[in-house]
Amino acid sequence: AQSVTQLGSHVSVSEGALVLLRCNYSSSVPPYLFWYVQYPNQGLQLLLKYTTGATLVKGINGFEAEFKKSETSFHLTKPSAHMSDAAEYFCAVSALGAGSYQLTFGKGTKLSVIP
Amino acid sequence: NAGVTQTPKFQVLKTGQSMTLQCAQDMNHEYMSWYRQDPGMGLRLIHYSVGAGITDQGEVPNGYNVSRSTTEDFPLRLLSAAPSQTSVYFCASSLGHMNTEAFFGQGTRLTVV
Repeated sequence: AQSVTQLGSHVSVSEGALVLLRCNYSSSVPPYLFWYVQYPNQGLQLLLKYTTGATLVKGINGFEAEFKKSETSFHLTKPSAHMSDAAEYFCAVSALGAGSYQLTFGKGTKLSVIP
Repeated sequence: NAGVTQTPKFQVLKTGQSMTLQCAQDMNHEYMSWYRQDPGMGLRLIHYSVGAGITDQGEVPNGYNVSRSTTEDFPLRLLSAAPSQTSVYFCASSLGHMNTEAFFGQGTRLTVV
């Protein structure tokens, strides 16, 4: 079975500062990893995903994440925070479950951006 | 470009009532799923379907039923609503491969009183 741990339920950064949201996963098989973003009162939308190949993945809105197998991590970063980045971010792992593949989410990290 | 459409957006139920949350997608996706989102709990998988006529349980299936008679629709039924089912419900669809993006609906906010 797979699981996802997101460190920090709430992160605050100043506008223009580095954004770092942490994600560690557990999976008995090679995983596919995703970051989704949820703006207030909306559904989730994909930021980026790691499937195979390059371990540094670039996504939308200037975000990127690095897959580190040895650390079982997939941390999300952005060099310079913008006010529009304020949202909740979810890390997810996709792996085979008992029946078919399942997408398992972390508990989320709410990002606040301080002007 | 409708994507994944959920209805209703808001619902208030009394304990013991039943209702069906509707979910429809127009992307010809094989894989559909239902999640519930509760504060501090992230999204938890209720049920999923890998194609018409095939459904399976997720992490928190108790109190919910699903069926998949067409590729497009995947309704979620609450048989006898309980206050513990107060939550925001999201339907999602994807092509059905492990490495593909899931597309989410806008959610249904359900309150059971």
